[in-house]
Amino acid sequence: SAVISQKPSRDICQRGTSLTIQCQVDSQVTMMFWYRQQPGQSLTLIATANQGSEATYESGFVIDKFPISRPNLTFSTLTVSNMSPEDSSIYLCSVGRPEDEQFFGPGTRLTVL
Amino acid sequence: EDQVTQSPEALRLQEGESSSLNCSYTVSGLRGLFWYRQDPGKGPEFLFTLYSAGEEKEKERLKATLTKKESFLHITAPKPEDSATYLCAVAGGSQGNLIFGKGTKLSVKP
Repeated sequence: SAVISQKPSRDICQRGTSLTIQCQVDSQVTMMFWYRQQPGQSLTLIATANQGSEATYESGFVIDKFPISRPNLTFSTLTVSNMSPEDSSIYLCSVGRPEDEQFFGPGTRLTVL
Repeated sequence: EDQVTQSPEALRLQEGESSSLNCSYTVSGLRGLFWYRQDPGKGPEFLFTLYSAGEEKEKERLKATLTKKESFLHITAPKPEDSATYLCAVAGGSQGNLIFGKGTKLSVKP
């Protein structure tokens, strides 16, 4: 399985600001996924990021709020824009296939004040 | 609606006290069921994939089973290091992606 790292591991931000989360994989992968894990809730897929194409967003998530970059086959970023306290969550990236085993990074714990 | 429900939400066991976690699902055309373990402050760690009813997978003290409506994660003689949140996810239905349950938080006391 791939080794996945995320930066930052945690952050505390002020409302109205933006935070960019990085996800690095130790091998080339076709698909990368970004999830949100809110307290007491299940993991929710935000978007799928493929290299060389626009990210595909799930219902309820929009590009203006969660812009994603995928510049190569080992790296992706997720930006949480114009943050509010409701964006406080753990953000996770994963690799794999949409309906198969996925392997997750350690997560980024975001607190918005 | 495609849905995954895990029970109980939390489970406290004494070391050596065997038990089972439940994952029930309502998806049409199940294409796979996945179990993960998540430790505090970490991402989910993949445990098992089950594809068809009757299938079983084992790893150390864990055994996962699958029926047409639910999956069980059996924990035999658990140890404190088995304490974690166990997540279930399914692939199927109209989603085209994994659908996760909310998890069961397992605590094993020595």
